[in-house]
Amino acid sequence: EVQLVETGGGLVQPGRSLKLSCVASGFTFNNYWMSWTRQAPGKGLEWVASITNSGGSTYYPDSVKGRFTISRDNAQNTLYLQMNSLRSEDTATYYCTRNSGYGGFDYWGQGVMVTVSS
Amino acid sequence: DIVLTQSPALAVSLGQRATISCRASESVRSSMHWYQQKSGQQPKLLIYGASNLASGVPARFSGSGSGTDFTFTIDPVEADDIATYYCQQSRNDPTFGAGTKLELK
Repeated sequence: EVQLVETGGGLVQPGRSLKLSCVASGFTFNNYWMSWTRQAPGKGLEWVASITNSGGSTYYPDSVKGRFTISRDNAQNTLYLQMNSLRSEDTATYYCTRNSGYGGFDYWGQGVMVTVSS
Repeated sequence: DIVLTQSPALAVSLGQRATISCRASESVRSSMHWYQQKSGQQPKLLIYGASNLASGVPARFSGSGSGTDFTFTIDPVEADDIATYYCQQSRNDPTFGAGTKLELK
């Protein structure tokens, strides 16, 4: 059974940093691209970052480019999201997602809440 | 960015057909996917590649379309289907529609 378990969320002040982790199990982690997607309270879904299966390439939308860094440790089956210079608009539930081979996200973690507030 | 436009809500009776549309601001070919999100849960992939049923998803769910106009259908609607449904394109950097909340009439 595919499982994605996120940790590392919490309350953080604006301008500070936070690092999220996602431990994957139930599939061959290094065969898949992985991503982070977020959802602000009561709002829709927003893609945040993607990383190739080897970790050699990463992709971001303009809203987080230069502030967020996605990375992975294939030996530990773990995906990371380093979030720097956090803003109030980064407040959201962050989901770890597995990229299917067809462009959609076929598995999602339960999500971890990040609140940016003073 | 490719903008996806969905109607905000749809009211339907149990046992009837529900049809949700998603229009893209430019062609995404068949790179359209549909998700179900129930209250308090993570999204679940239902349809990928515009019309392909994801593993374990009941055949009551279906998708169609290509280019800029896509349709997601539930027929017949069951009580467990009450949720918000999102379209997502992967032609360029992923973007999602704002979601359509399916409600009971």
